Formats: sequence, C-alpha cells, structure tokens
Amino acid sequence: SYELTQPPSVSVSPGQTASITCSGNKLEDKYVCWYQQKPGQSPVLVVYQDSKRPSGIPERFSGSNSGSTATLTISGTQVMDEADYYCQAWDINTGVFGGGTKLTVL
Amino acid sequence: QVQLVQSGAEVKRPGASVKISCEASGYTFTSYFIDWVRQAPGQGLEWMGIIDPSGGTTSYAQKFQGRVTMTRDASTNTVYMELSSLRSEDTAVYYCARVIGGADTAMLFWGQGTRVTVSS
Repeated sequence: SYELTQPPSVSVSPGQTASITCSGNKLEDKYVCWYQQKPGQSPVLVVYQDSKRPSGIPERFSGSNSGSTATLTISGTQVMDEADYYCQAWDINTGVFGGGTKLTVL
Repeated sequence: QVQLVQSGAEVKRPGASVKISCEASGYTFTSYFIDWVRQAPGQGLEWMGIIDPSGGTTSYAQKFQGRVTMTRDASTNTVYMELSSLRSEDTAVYYCARVIGGADTAMLFWGQGTRVTVSS
C-alpha cells in the first residue's frame, strides 16, 4: 500500500520560516493537500492541489510538490500556527494520510 | 454556510456495531463526495472511505473492507458510516468531511467529530 512519510516534529522560532516535508513514491504524479489540526479540533484544509490555498487561509501558508517530496512552507510563522500538520494524497481511489508533524513555535 | 453535523458520542462493547450519522446543510447534498476519517487517541488521521451521495457509490480503505458500510439518505441530506465487529483498537474520533468540489477531492468542510469508545 502507498505510504506518505513526514517528520514527527519540526520546531521554528516566531517570525521564521517553517518547512514540513511529505515523502512518497513518485509523489509529484499526485496532488497533495495539507491539513492543520489543533488539539481538540477538527482538521482544517490549508493547502490543496499541491499549492492552492482555500479561501480564508493566510498567504503565509504555501505548498510545493516535486519529485518524491511535497513541502508545506509557513512564512513568518506565528504562535497560532503551532499545531499538527498532515499531508494527504490519493492512490488508486484510496486516500492516504502522512503520519503527521507536530509544529512547535518557540 | 456549509455545515456537517455528526451524531453524538457512543460507547460500545467489543463485537458490536456502531452507526454514525453526518447531516449536511448549506449546499446541494448530491453534488459533493463525503469522506470518513478517524483518529485514535494520540494518533494521526486515518482515511476510511468515501461515498458519492448522488448514487451511493462507495470506495473503502482495504483495512476496513468487510467491516465498514457507508450509506446515504438524500431525503434528509445525511450520510451514515457503520462499522461492525468493533474491537478496542476502533476507539477513536470519527469525522465526516465534504470534498472541495470539481475534480478535487481535498476535504474542505469537516464535521465536529464523533467519539466512539469500545470497551467491555
């Protein structure tokens, strides 16, 4: 079965740029989306189709996908961005989530 | 505005079944697929399957094949997810999520989650 691999944790200082990676076989051939989840809350879609932002998502969230790695980039990271982030893609009509990355802003 | 409202928390014995509802409002129910995703305590998100509310077509994760059934009732704008032969590992929060639309299946709108506890 298809797998997506994320680092368990990433740390960043406020105002700096955070990068969270998601790796999978030939991932560039698939669309990747990213979800943010804060404790006790439902996930929120922050990036879809590799690099598009839904309405209401701040411009500091951006995405890219090349080769076998997709990347979620948060520019000018704010304390409110501290959360778990999950990448997700589709493989033969099956949804697949990465294991999640805990972003710490300190 | 788009809303997905799920049924309340459930406590079940091992071996039992649970059926969770997800009532949609604020859009044309039959025009957007709905996914089911679960999250065990302290764990990540796990995709369970997807249903097309228009015709009822489903696709399930291989892990849940034979144990999960997703259905819909277009008269009440509600989708259901039933999981059978419950075991302790099925203890989780279960979410329904509506796709963004068009050709894209990213999950834009999420329900509030339904906590299912499986315990003897």
